[in-house]
Amino acid sequence: AQTVTQSQPEMSVQEAETVTLSCTYDTSESDYYLFWYKQPPSRQMILVIRQEAYKQQNATENRFSVNFQKAAKSFSLKISDSQLGDAAMYFCAYRTMSNTGNQFYFGTGTSLTVIP
Amino acid sequence: DAGVTQSPTHLIKTRGQQVTLRCSPKSGHDTVSWYQQALGQGPQFIFQYYEEEERQRGNFPDRFSGHQFPNYSSELNVNALLLGDSALYLCASSLGAMRQPQHFGDGTRLSIL
Repeated sequence: AQTVTQSQPEMSVQEAETVTLSCTYDTSESDYYLFWYKQPPSRQMILVIRQEAYKQQNATENRFSVNFQKAAKSFSLKISDSQLGDAAMYFCAYRTMSNTGNQFYFGTGTSLTVIP
Repeated sequence: DAGVTQSPTHLIKTRGQQVTLRCSPKSGHDTVSWYQQALGQGPQFIFQYYEEEERQRGNFPDRFSGHQFPNYSSELNVNALLLGDSALYLCASSLGAMRQPQHFGDGTRLSIL
Protein backbone atom coordinates (compact mmCIF):
# COMPACT_ATOMS: atom_id res chain seq x y z
CA ALA A 1 0.00 0.00 0.00
CA GLN A 2 1.02 3.54 -0.62
CA THR A 3 2.16 5.61 2.35
CA VAL A 4 2.97 9.29 2.61
CA THR A 5 5.18 10.70 5.36
CA GLN A 6 5.53 14.29 6.45
CA SER A 7 8.19 14.45 9.13
CA GLN A 8 7.71 18.11 10.07
CA PRO A 9 4.57 18.57 12.18
CA GLU A 10 5.21 22.31 12.46
CA MET A 11 7.25 24.87 10.56
CA SER A 12 7.58 28.63 10.76
CA VAL A 13 8.89 31.24 8.38
CA GLN A 14 9.41 34.98 8.43
CA GLU A 15 7.23 36.93 6.06
CA ALA A 16 8.96 37.37 2.66
CA GLU A 17 11.38 34.51 3.37
CA THR A 18 11.50 31.05 1.81
CA VAL A 19 10.47 27.80 3.46
CA THR A 20 10.62 24.17 2.34
CA LEU A 21 8.20 21.48 3.50
CA SER A 22 9.30 17.86 3.24
CA CYS A 23 7.40 14.81 2.04
CA THR A 24 8.43 11.25 1.32
CA TYR A 25 6.29 8.42 0.01
CA ASP A 26 6.45 4.73 -0.56
CA THR A 27 5.04 3.00 -3.62
CA SER A 28 5.79 0.15 -5.99
CA GLU A 29 4.10 1.91 -8.89
CA SER A 30 6.05 3.69 -11.60
CA ASP A 31 3.38 6.16 -12.60
CA TYR A 32 1.37 8.31 -10.23
CA TYR A 33 0.49 11.85 -9.19
CA LEU A 34 1.77 13.85 -6.26
CA PHE A 35 0.04 16.86 -4.78
CA TRP A 36 0.39 19.53 -2.16
CA TYR A 37 -2.86 20.73 -0.64
CA LYS A 38 -3.36 23.67 1.71
CA GLN A 39 -6.02 23.57 4.41
CA PRO A 40 -6.65 26.87 6.19
CA PRO A 41 -8.85 27.08 9.28
CA SER A 42 -11.82 27.42 6.93
CA ARG A 43 -11.29 23.66 6.37
CA GLN A 44 -11.49 23.50 2.58
CA MET A 45 -8.65 21.61 0.95
CA ILE A 46 -7.11 23.87 -1.70
CA LEU A 47 -4.85 22.46 -4.39
CA VAL A 48 -1.47 24.22 -4.33
CA ILE A 49 0.51 22.27 -6.90
CA ARG A 50 0.64 18.85 -8.55
CA GLN A 51 3.30 16.76 -10.24
CA GLU A 52 2.97 13.83 -12.62
CA ALA A 53 5.61 11.23 -11.85
CA TYR A 54 6.45 10.68 -15.52
CA LYS A 55 7.47 14.33 -15.90
CA GLN A 56 11.06 15.04 -15.01
CA GLN A 57 10.57 18.78 -14.83
CA ASN A 58 9.60 20.09 -11.42
CA ALA A 59 6.21 21.79 -11.27
CA THR A 60 5.94 25.48 -10.40
CA GLU A 61 2.96 27.69 -9.63
CA ASN A 62 3.92 31.30 -9.00
CA ARG A 63 5.62 31.37 -5.58
CA PHE A 64 5.23 27.60 -5.10
CA SER A 65 7.58 25.02 -6.55
CA VAL A 66 8.45 21.42 -5.88
CA ASN A 67 11.63 19.38 -5.77
CA PHE A 68 10.62 15.96 -7.07
CA GLN A 69 13.20 13.23 -6.61
CA LYS A 70 11.59 10.07 -7.99
CA ALA A 71 14.40 7.67 -7.13
CA ALA A 72 14.47 8.94 -3.57
CA LYS A 73 10.64 9.08 -3.43
CA SER A 74 10.84 12.61 -2.16
CA PHE A 75 8.50 15.50 -2.97
CA SER A 76 9.23 18.76 -1.15
CA LEU A 77 7.36 22.04 -1.47
CA LYS A 78 9.17 25.35 -1.57
CA ILE A 79 7.28 28.54 -0.81
CA SER A 80 9.10 31.70 -1.83
CA ASP A 81 8.36 35.23 -0.61
CA SER A 82 6.09 33.84 2.13
CA GLN A 83 2.91 35.79 2.83
CA LEU A 84 0.66 35.90 5.89
CA GLY A 85 -2.03 34.19 3.84
CA ASP A 86 0.21 31.16 3.37
CA ALA A 87 -0.30 30.20 7.02
CA ALA A 88 -2.21 26.92 7.00
CA MET A 89 -1.91 23.17 7.29
CA TYR A 90 -0.15 21.66 4.28
CA PHE A 91 -0.78 18.10 3.18
CA CYS A 92 1.25 16.05 0.77
CA ALA A 93 -0.82 13.53 -1.16
CA TYR A 94 -0.28 10.61 -3.53
CA ARG A 95 -2.70 9.37 -6.15
CA THR A 96 -2.35 6.30 -8.28
CA MET A 97 -2.77 6.32 -12.03
CA SER A 98 -3.82 2.69 -12.10
CA ASN A 99 -7.33 1.46 -12.83
CA THR A 100 -7.71 0.39 -9.20
CA GLY A 101 -8.86 3.84 -8.32
CA ASN A 102 -8.07 7.47 -7.94
CA GLN A 103 -8.29 7.98 -4.20
CA PHE A 104 -5.74 10.08 -2.42
CA TYR A 105 -3.32 8.95 0.24
CA PHE A 106 -2.47 11.85 2.51
CA GLY A 107 0.35 12.55 4.90
CA THR A 108 -0.29 13.79 8.42
CA GLY A 109 0.33 17.40 7.51
CA THR A 110 2.68 20.25 8.36
CA SER A 111 1.35 23.31 10.15
CA LEU A 112 2.97 26.42 8.69
CA THR A 113 3.14 29.65 10.68
CA VAL A 114 4.13 32.88 8.96
CA ILE A 115 5.70 35.44 11.27
CA PRO A 116 5.12 39.11 10.39
CA ASP B 1 -20.11 27.73 -11.05
CA ALA B 2 -20.91 26.12 -7.72
CA GLY B 3 -18.16 24.06 -6.21
CA VAL B 4 -18.59 21.04 -3.98
CA THR B 5 -21.20 21.72 -1.30
CA GLN B 6 -21.67 19.72 1.89
CA SER B 7 -24.37 19.77 4.53
CA PRO B 8 -24.66 20.23 7.39
CA THR B 9 -21.52 22.13 8.32
CA HIS B 10 -21.57 20.90 11.90
CA LEU B 11 -23.43 18.08 13.62
CA ILE B 12 -23.54 16.78 17.18
CA LYS B 13 -24.66 13.22 17.91
CA THR B 14 -24.46 10.75 20.78
CA ARG B 15 -22.98 7.27 20.81
CA GLY B 16 -25.13 4.64 19.14
CA GLN B 17 -27.01 7.07 16.95
CA GLN B 18 -27.02 7.16 13.18
CA VAL B 19 -26.04 10.09 10.97
CA THR B 20 -26.39 11.08 7.31
CA LEU B 21 -24.10 13.57 5.64
CA ARG B 22 -24.76 15.03 2.21
CA CYS B 23 -22.63 16.17 -0.70
CA SER B 24 -23.40 17.87 -3.99
CA PRO B 25 -20.55 17.60 -6.48
CA LYS B 26 -19.12 20.41 -8.53
CA SER B 27 -21.14 21.08 -11.68
CA GLY B 28 -20.13 18.65 -14.41
CA HIS B 29 -18.59 16.11 -12.04
CA ASP B 30 -19.93 12.57 -11.77
CA THR B 31 -17.68 10.92 -9.19
CA VAL B 32 -17.84 11.49 -5.45
CA SER B 33 -15.31 10.39 -2.85
CA TRP B 34 -15.62 10.62 0.93
CA TYR B 35 -12.78 11.12 3.41
CA GLN B 36 -12.57 11.12 7.19
CA GLN B 37 -10.14 13.58 8.76
CA ALA B 38 -9.54 13.07 12.47
CA LEU B 39 -8.16 15.97 14.46
CA GLY B 40 -4.48 16.51 13.67
CA GLN B 41 -4.44 13.89 10.93
CA GLY B 42 -4.58 13.77 7.18
CA PRO B 43 -7.77 12.70 5.43
CA GLN B 44 -8.41 8.95 5.14
CA PHE B 45 -10.28 7.55 2.14
CA ILE B 46 -13.65 5.99 3.00
CA PHE B 47 -15.18 5.14 -0.39
CA GLN B 48 -15.94 6.41 -3.86
CA TYR B 49 -19.16 6.42 -5.86
CA TYR B 50 -19.52 6.46 -9.62
CA GLU B 51 -22.62 5.67 -11.68
CA GLU B 52 -24.55 5.17 -8.44
CA GLU B 53 -22.30 2.32 -7.33
CA GLU B 54 -19.56 2.03 -4.75
CA ARG B 55 -16.43 1.57 -6.84
CA GLN B 56 -13.69 1.59 -4.24
CA ARG B 57 -13.55 1.33 -0.49
CA GLY B 58 -10.93 2.15 2.10
CA ASN B 59 -10.35 0.40 5.39
CA PHE B 60 -13.61 1.36 7.11
CA PRO B 61 -16.18 -0.94 8.75
CA ASP B 62 -19.59 -1.70 7.30
CA ARG B 63 -21.11 0.86 9.67
CA PHE B 64 -20.04 3.34 7.01
CA SER B 65 -22.25 3.18 3.95
CA GLY B 66 -23.18 5.49 1.17
CA HIS B 67 -25.34 6.21 -1.76
CA GLN B 68 -25.17 8.17 -4.99
CA PHE B 69 -28.25 9.57 -6.65
CA PRO B 70 -28.98 10.00 -10.38
CA ASN B 71 -28.06 13.70 -10.12
CA TYR B 72 -24.59 12.58 -8.83
CA SER B 73 -25.14 13.90 -5.30
CA SER B 74 -24.14 11.55 -2.54
CA GLU B 75 -24.85 10.62 1.06
CA LEU B 76 -22.59 9.15 3.69
CA ASN B 77 -24.33 7.16 6.43
CA VAL B 78 -22.72 6.08 9.66
CA ASN B 79 -24.57 3.69 12.01
CA ALA B 80 -23.95 2.89 15.67
CA LEU B 81 -21.78 5.95 16.16
CA LEU B 82 -18.66 5.65 18.29
CA LEU B 83 -16.67 8.38 19.99
CA GLY B 84 -13.88 7.66 17.50
CA ASP B 85 -16.13 8.68 14.62
CA SER B 86 -15.73 12.31 15.67
CA ALA B 87 -13.98 13.94 12.73
CA LEU B 88 -14.24 16.27 9.77
CA TYR B 89 -15.85 14.46 6.85
CA LEU B 90 -14.75 15.72 3.48
CA CYS B 91 -16.40 15.13 0.16
CA ALA B 92 -14.45 15.41 -3.09
CA SER B 93 -15.80 15.30 -6.62
CA SER B 94 -14.21 14.72 -10.00
CA LEU B 95 -15.07 13.82 -13.56
CA GLY B 96 -14.84 10.05 -13.91
CA ALA B 97 -11.54 9.78 -15.79
CA MET B 98 -8.52 9.02 -13.62
CA ARG B 99 -6.51 12.04 -14.61
CA GLN B 100 -9.05 14.61 -13.54
CA PRO B 101 -8.31 16.49 -10.30
CA GLN B 102 -10.53 16.17 -7.27
CA HIS B 103 -12.25 19.24 -5.84
CA PHE B 104 -13.01 19.25 -2.12
CA GLY B 105 -15.92 20.67 -0.17
CA ASP B 106 -15.64 22.49 3.16
CA GLY B 107 -16.53 19.39 5.11
CA THR B 108 -18.95 18.44 7.86
CA ARG B 109 -17.65 18.51 11.42
CA LEU B 110 -19.19 15.56 13.28
CA SER B 111 -18.92 15.54 17.07
CA ILE B 112 -19.94 12.47 19.07
CA LEU B 113 -20.78 12.94 22.76
